[in-house]
Amino acid sequence: QVHLQESGPGLVKPSETLSLTCSVSGGPVSGYYWSWIRQPPGKGLEWIGYIYYTGSTNYNPSLRSRVSMSVDTSNNKFSLNLSSVTAADTAIYYCARRQRFYSDDAFDTWGQGTLVSVSS
Amino acid sequence: DIQMTQSPSSLSTSVGDTVNITCRARQYISDRLNWYHQAPGKAPKLLIFAASTLQSGVPSRFSGSGSGTYFTLTISSLQPEDFATYYCQQSYTTPYTFGQGTILEIK
Repeated sequence: QVHLQESGPGLVKPSETLSLTCSVSGGPVSGYYWSWIRQPPGKGLEWIGYIYYTGSTNYNPSLRSRVSMSVDTSNNKFSLNLSSVTAADTAIYYCARRQRFYSDDAFDTWGQGTLVSVSS
Repeated sequence: DIQMTQSPSSLSTSVGDTVNITCRARQYISDRLNWYHQAPGKAPKLLIFAASTLQSGVPSRFSGSGSGTYFTLTISSLQPEDFATYYCQQSYTTPYTFGQGTILEIK
């Protein structure tokens, strides 16, 4: 069974870059699309973007100017960078696998999430 | 972006009851609609994909229906572990978007 684990700093200063890594175990990074999704405390879910194992990406236009993702198939992990953060970026950040089901795509496997707070 | 609207926002109900949660898309999304369950402090868990197909391992008391712009999640014979927040999500086009969530509370 595939397991995802987010890692990275829990506190980032305003205007700096938030960097997170998702380590994948129990299955390959290759062959799949991998997403980042965030959830401000007590609020709903926001899709940040995805990266394919080949490195192609698709970002939410609302964050596109500040987001970059990368993938490391050798070490079975992928990463998120979000630049110029503000307090509005404080959230639980989840990594998730996008699975193709017939004609549909859904997030079938999620990490436990990691809380990132933006504060000086 | 495709806006997804769930109703109700919260629902107070009892173990053994049957509940319906609806999700409306602002535009046509075919059957590209997924449902997730999120227990407090936990990550979301996929329940239903393609509007009506149960994810492996999900109890049969969960069912989904709908297509186009209107969708329903039905939970029959509510169990204690079902009291959580439910989200719909469209995968018709990016950016993928979620409903605002429906909180299911014990009466």
